[in-house]
Amino acid sequence: DADVTQTPRNRITKTGKRIMLECSQTKGHDRMYWYRQDPGLGLRLIYYSFDVKDINKGEISDGYSVSRQAQAKFSLSLESAIPNQTALYFCATSDIPGTGGWETQYFGPGTRLLVL
Amino acid sequence: QQQVKQSPQSLIVQKGGISIINCAYENTAFDYFPWYQQFPGKGPALLIAIRPDVSEKKEGRFTISFNKSAKQFSLHIMDSQPGDSATYFCAASPYGGSQGNLIFGKGTKLSVKP
Repeated sequence: DADVTQTPRNRITKTGKRIMLECSQTKGHDRMYWYRQDPGLGLRLIYYSFDVKDINKGEISDGYSVSRQAQAKFSLSLESAIPNQTALYFCATSDIPGTGGWETQYFGPGTRLLVL
Repeated sequence: QQQVKQSPQSLIVQKGGISIINCAYENTAFDYFPWYQQFPGKGPALLIAIRPDVSEKKEGRFTISFNKSAKQFSLHIMDSQPGDSATYFCAASPYGGSQGNLIFGKGTKLSVKP
């Protein structure tokens, strides 16, 4: 979905390096998410943010940190990358559901990360 | 603890056949059950969703069947086409997903053979 962009699309790094994955959205949504996808493990939530001043840990936040620079930008950092962080990373956004409504998450195209 | 169990992990169906993917959950607070479809090289996208106040929802060739007492729900793809080949994720959440805590199953890779 071109409304949610992720950079870089592919990244190779070495163990111990700090890297940042960036996500931008033009959908005007307040909510943003970072997920990790591993084969056979599905999508697991790393961090999520409901607005610029709100950051919440997800299921697997250890080894990761995030920054919500603006409504449209949400970055994921690996402070010291390790090989088992090799995965496909997705950013997603959603709007606040209306009364009785439900949430739809819109995913970016993903960043494939390889940690050597 | 896996809260949404999805099966099978992979599925091969002939063109025109019916594809069935099953999911089960434990948390009775879940009240929102979406299915996401992911094509290779793309991010997941919402396909269809259901709330537990109905037992079935149909959108074109895609149908969700929901069994509240058994805590199970399934996706049926009628007249499966090669273009349906993708990975499908079921998910569940309380409060309509409004709290941002969508729990995904592990995914089913569907291949539809011509």
